[in-house]
Amino acid sequence: DAKTTQPPSMDCAEGRAANLPCNHSTISGNEYVYWYRQIHSQGPQYIIHGLKNNETNEMASLIITEDRKSSTLILPHATLRDTAVYYCIVRPRVRSNDYKLSFGAGTTVTVRA
Amino acid sequence: DAGVIQSPRHEVTEMGQEVTLRCKLISGHNSLFWYRQTMMRGLELLIYFNNNVPIDDSGMPEDRFSAKMPNASFSTLKIQPSEPRDSAVYFCASSLAGGDTQYFGPGTRLTVL
Repeated sequence: DAKTTQPPSMDCAEGRAANLPCNHSTISGNEYVYWYRQIHSQGPQYIIHGLKNNETNEMASLIITEDRKSSTLILPHATLRDTAVYYCIVRPRVRSNDYKLSFGAGTTVTVRA
Repeated sequence: DAGVIQSPRHEVTEMGQEVTLRCKLISGHNSLFWYRQTMMRGLELLIYFNNNVPIDDSGMPEDRFSAKMPNASFSTLKIQPSEPRDSAVYFCASSLAGGDTQYFGPGTRLTVL
């Protein structure tokens, strides 16, 4: 039961912003939006998460729509090292038994020189 | 600040042999997750420990697989006897608590001949 929908792939130019969309129309009030990425031959890497406010850290920005049914991960200045599979995951983050992290197919992002 | 540490990074063994994968949690984390990733099935949760106690082992494929946490900072995943279909990349991840952000290790690529 997929809780998020992402495009299977996208290309972006090096140095430009990469905007990765994610739909999560059935998100519940206590569920956060998490983003991870997996660079080839590496473990999944946490990027950012948010509940309803926009969030920014050293890696990316997360924009969540007011109705929380979709979000966009923004890599402000994509580099070749940002080529990876990006996963959008919704999950509760309240109690110890809310530990499930379901990785779907993600979006394969290719940054081109 | 060391992340999750896994060893070995690569393991090649023959069918029927015992395999032991090792994981060191991030200092201060009390939750430990073992995942397996294959092309066919993606990233699957095998087992989840909280405070050294196995909470959910429903993802463990069969009795040939066992996992332990002999102390708060270390875990092992053992496969005995190993089979070719066990070939995969095995990741461990840790978090402050079960519902918190999970941080993944670099993985162990297992090949069973």
